Amino acid sequence: DVKVTQSSRYLVKRTGEKVFLECVQDMDHENMFWYRQDPGLGLRLIYFSYDVKMKEKGDIPEGYSVSREKKERFSLILESASTNQTSMYLCASSLEALGNQPQHFGDGTRLSIL
Amino acid sequence: DQQVKQNSPSLSVQEGRISILNCDYTNSMFDYFLWYKKYPAEGPTFLISISSIKDKNEDGRFTVFLNKSAKHLSLHIVPSQPGDSAVYFCAASRRGSQGNLIFGKGTKLSVKP
Repeated sequence: DVKVTQSSRYLVKRTGEKVFLECVQDMDHENMFWYRQDPGLGLRLIYFSYDVKMKEKGDIPEGYSVSREKKERFSLILESASTNQTSMYLCASSLEALGNQPQHFGDGTRLSIL
Repeated sequence: DQQVKQNSPSLSVQEGRISILNCDYTNSMFDYFLWYKKYPAEGPTFLISISSIKDKNEDGRFTVFLNKSAKHLSLHIVPSQPGDSAVYFCAASRRGSQGNLIFGKGTKLSVKP
C-alpha cells in the first residue's frame, strides 16, 4: 500500500512566522501535490511537482512556496503566515506524469494561524 | 469557473438503500474520472475510477457510470451502510496534464441506520 506521511496532524503558528509542512511518500512516485481544503470550497491545488527540483504553480500559489530536493519528500512553505492560511493542508502523490493514475493522500495537517 | 461540479452539498439515505452521488463536468478534454471518500480529520481515500473509453466500472458495492454526451458521472453505492457516511469528491483529469486532478466541492453523504 502507498503511504503518504505528513509530519504533523495539528499545528498552531503565529502571524508572520515562516511555516514548514513536510510530506514523505514511500512508493517512489514521480508526482507530488499540495492542496488546501476549506469548507464549501473543496480541494484547491497550491503547488505540484513532477520531478526532483521541479515545481509548478497550482490554482492558489500566492503566499506559498515548495521544495523538492529528494524524490520522496515534498515540502510546503508559508513564507509569512497569515490568518487566511488557516486551513487543512493535504499532500498527495501519484505514480507517473503521463498516465492516468489516482493520487494517494496523507491524513492532512490542520494548521491554525493566530 | 468550476470545471467539475457537485451540485448537491448533502445527501441523506436509509441504510440498505441505494446512494447516488452526481457529478457534472464542462471540459470535454477530461479522459479520466475518479471518486474519493473523505472522513473528518483524514485524507481523501481513492474509491473508484473510470476511463472515458468506458461507460461503467464496478467494484463491489460501488459502481461509477459515465455519460460522455451529457458530461455527467455518478457513483452508486448499493447497499448503503452507516460506515459510508463521509464526504465524497468527484475528480477529473486529462492526459498530458501531469496527473493534475480537478476536484468538485464534495457531497456529504449521511447513511441513517
